[in-house]
Amino acid sequence: AQSVTQLDSQVPVFEEAPVELRCNYSSSVSVYLFWYVQYPNQGLQLLLKYLSGSTLVKGINGFEAEFNKSQTSFHLRKPSVHISDTAEYFCAVSRTGNQFYFGTGTSLTVIP
Amino acid sequence: NAGVMQNPRHLVRRRGQEARLRCSPMKGHSHVYWYRQLPEEGLKFMVYLQKENIIDESGMPKERFSAEFPKEGPSILRIQQVVRGDSAAYFCASSSPGGKSSPLHFGNGTRLTVT
Repeated sequence: AQSVTQLDSQVPVFEEAPVELRCNYSSSVSVYLFWYVQYPNQGLQLLLKYLSGSTLVKGINGFEAEFNKSQTSFHLRKPSVHISDTAEYFCAVSRTGNQFYFGTGTSLTVIP
Repeated sequence: NAGVMQNPRHLVRRRGQEARLRCSPMKGHSHVYWYRQLPEEGLKFMVYLQKENIIDESGMPKERFSAEFPKEGPSILRIQQVVRGDSAAYFCASSSPGGKSSPLHFGNGTRLTVT
């Protein structure tokens, strides 16, 4: 079975500073990787996904993530955050496309 | 295209009552997932359904909880004899049968409060 670990439960960062949200997964086979964002009182929205090919994936709102197979990581980054990026971020992994496993989430707070 | 529609958005039930949560997947999607989210916790998988079939219910409590996805109509998550510990946000997600890479699309959730 796959599992997903988001090492940081809360990440405060100043506006316009860079941010990295960490995600590690455990799987002995190839997987598909996703990052979702959840704004207060809303459902999750897909930020980006890695299926195959280039290990650097660009998503919406200026986010990107890099797949590192040797370290089994898929960290999310943004070079300059905005207040509107304050939200909960979830990493997810799927092997079959039918089962999705989510991390416990990272709460990003952007400080003015 | 309408997204995943969940209703009601908020549901209040007294202990012992039944809660019914509805989910209409995106048009063209035949896979439905239910997740539960508790405060300060992540998403917990409950059940995965395709039309008229439960594929995986390993995350759903054996008692009081049931789910269905009939040939016609929305998917229903049913909780009988609710207890305070059932208070949570319940999210439905759907995906297309188009292959292994189809991501999940989420509804805005139903927030269940048991008083």
